[in-house]
Amino acid sequence: QVQLVESGGGLVKPGGSLRLSCAASGFTFSDYYMSWIRQAPGKGLEWVSYISSSGSTIYYADSVKGRFTISRDNAKNSLYLQMNSLRAEDTAVYYCARDLAAVAADYYFDYWGQGTLVTVSS
Amino acid sequence: EIVLTQSPATLSLSPGERATLSCRASQSVSSYLAWYQQKPGQAPRLLIYDASNRATGIPARFSGSGSGTDFTLTISSLEPEDFAVYYCQQRSNWPVTFGPGTKVDIK
Repeated sequence: QVQLVESGGGLVKPGGSLRLSCAASGFTFSDYYMSWIRQAPGKGLEWVSYISSSGSTIYYADSVKGRFTISRDNAKNSLYLQMNSLRAEDTAVYYCARDLAAVAADYYFDYWGQGTLVTVSS
Repeated sequence: EIVLTQSPATLSLSPGERATLSCRASQSVSSYLAWYQQKPGQAPRLLIYDASNRATGIPARFSGSGSGTDFTLTISSLEPEDFAVYYCQQRSNWPVTFGPGTKVDIK
């Protein structure tokens, strides 16, 4: 069965860095576009970043552009999010999510991990 | 950026009742709209995509309709496990955006 397991969250000071990982299993990871989506405590969902199956196409939300970097390692079935210059407003649960369609971009998210909490506070 | 507005913010109903949730887009998204269900402490679950297509394994009591700027998610007869928050999401224009959610709680 499809599984996405995030890790790497934690408490970090403003201006600090953190690297999130998402381990995928149960499907051909290299066929799927992947995204990071976050949810601040008690708030709604915000798409953060997206990467194509090969890694050649990447998009970021304006709120994280220039500070976050998405990447993937298809050999390791893993997705990453490098987060630099963190701010209090980046505090959220970060989910990795799989695109609905294989091979082509669909921008709907059919499988989500359980999320990892990032807290930015001094 | 396309803004999605959901109404009502909270819907209080009893099991067995029909739930009708609305999502309105600030500009046309054609049929490129999805609905998700989220329960406390859980990740969202995809229910409907392309406005009216049920995702794999989603019960038939969930249905979606609409196009352009106005969309509806209908739950024909609420089961106890359906009390949750529901989000709409558009993929018509970049960036993809989500609505603020409608909470369906037990009356």
